[in-house]
Amino acid sequence: EVQLVQSGAEVKKPGESLKISCKASGYSFTSYWIGWVRQMPGKGLEWMGIIYPGDSDTRYSPSFQGQVTISADKSINTAYLQWSSLKASDTAMFYCARTNYQIDIWGQGTMVTVSS
Amino acid sequence: QSALTQPASVSGSPGQSITISCTGTSSDVGGYNYVSWYQQHPGKAPKLMIYDVSNRPSGVSNRFSGSKSGNTASLTISGLQAEDEADYYCSSYTSSSTLHVFGTGTKVTVL
Repeated sequence: EVQLVQSGAEVKKPGESLKISCKASGYSFTSYWIGWVRQMPGKGLEWMGIIYPGDSDTRYSPSFQGQVTISADKSINTAYLQWSSLKASDTAMFYCARTNYQIDIWGQGTMVTVSS
Repeated sequence: QSALTQPASVSGSPGQSITISCTGTSSDVGGYNYVSWYQQHPGKAPKLMIYDVSNRPSGVSNRFSGSKSGNTASLTISGLQAEDEADYYCSSYTSSSTLHVFGTGTKVTVL
């Protein structure tokens, strides 16, 4: 079964760092892009950026450039999304998604709450 | 890269048909036959309902259909049912470096 399994919910304080994960199984991890999607409470889906684990080609949407880092470890079929210094406005649900021309598989989501 | 434009809300009575539009540009919706639609129930991850403009994945009801004309794609739900009440998002492949863009989302209400 093709699936993406994300790490669990996180509660952090402003200024802390965080790295969440997305583990792929059931397909060739290096043959598809993995993207990250933000959904703030009560809001729509926002495409943050993507990575091609085969060669680590990484691209960011302008709104997220410099705000987060996307990476992947193809030895363990896992993609990551990380922050160096969280803000309260980073509170959201984050989804990873498999894609080439279209997103066909989604992770279950990781809720990140940033609060003092 | 601007989001694709969808109506904020659409409603219909059980058994009726509704259509959700998704308007982009020639750099996304109009330029590629890679438009997809996702259904999202509260607290759940999005679910693929339509891909390649008009194809349904296995297991998706044939009450859901997709089409495209120029820079606008559409999702039609026929025989509306209570379980169809959800948020719907379109997405398109795009010539931008990040490859994808989402629509603004549409809340479907079954009256």
